[in-house]
Amino acid sequence: EAQVTQNPRYLITVTGKKLTVTCSQNMNHEYMSWYRQDPGLGLRQIYYSMNVEVTDKGDVPEGYKVSRKEKRNFPLILESPSPNQTSLYFCASSLEGWTGGMSEAFFGQGTRLTVV
Amino acid sequence: GQSLEQPSEVTAVEGAIVQINCTYQTSGFYGLSWYQQHDGGAPTFLSYNALDGLEETGRFSSFLSRSDSYGYLLLQELQMKDSASYFCAVRDNYGQNFVFGPGTRLSVLP
Repeated sequence: EAQVTQNPRYLITVTGKKLTVTCSQNMNHEYMSWYRQDPGLGLRQIYYSMNVEVTDKGDVPEGYKVSRKEKRNFPLILESPSPNQTSLYFCASSLEGWTGGMSEAFFGQGTRLTVV
Repeated sequence: GQSLEQPSEVTAVEGAIVQINCTYQTSGFYGLSWYQQHDGGAPTFLSYNALDGLEETGRFSSFLSRSDSYGYLLLQELQMKDSASYFCAVRDNYGQNFVFGPGTRLSVLP
């Protein structure tokens, strides 16, 4: 089954304790991205990756890191989480990379993060 | 910069037709997409318009006018299960990153 898998689904952590949210897709997609969703603000892109070893900042990258060492995985790293990073996070992937155009983006089930 | 605007809420009754509008301002444009998100769920893809005109997929249709920087999602024969949030999205910055609108919450009443 084609899917994007995020883990964990729920996480409560304390300020300053490094954490990683994993994201894996089994569709051989080139493009992967991370979003955070906050009430009234919709989905805001944090980072995206056009392909292996190619990543770039989205609209709200501060406080986050990513890496793309393999095509299927795109972890989101919070080196020193703060309460303002409490949010619902989604990972997504889609087929094309540099070719432009648009194709369906597949989303993971989300990770609800609370930083206290 | 880039921005998208959508109405925050829309209410309609079962069987009715509803239109959700989206206007956008972007530095580059590679098409307008629509996503549906039920409470507690992940966004799911509904449609994509790269060119002007209407695209139809079952009960849902999407329209784009690039000259007006405007599009809409049309939902026909509304069902209770259509109650959800709907997001428009554009691919900006020469096709490199997606930007989503703030979302429209649709409530379908019996």
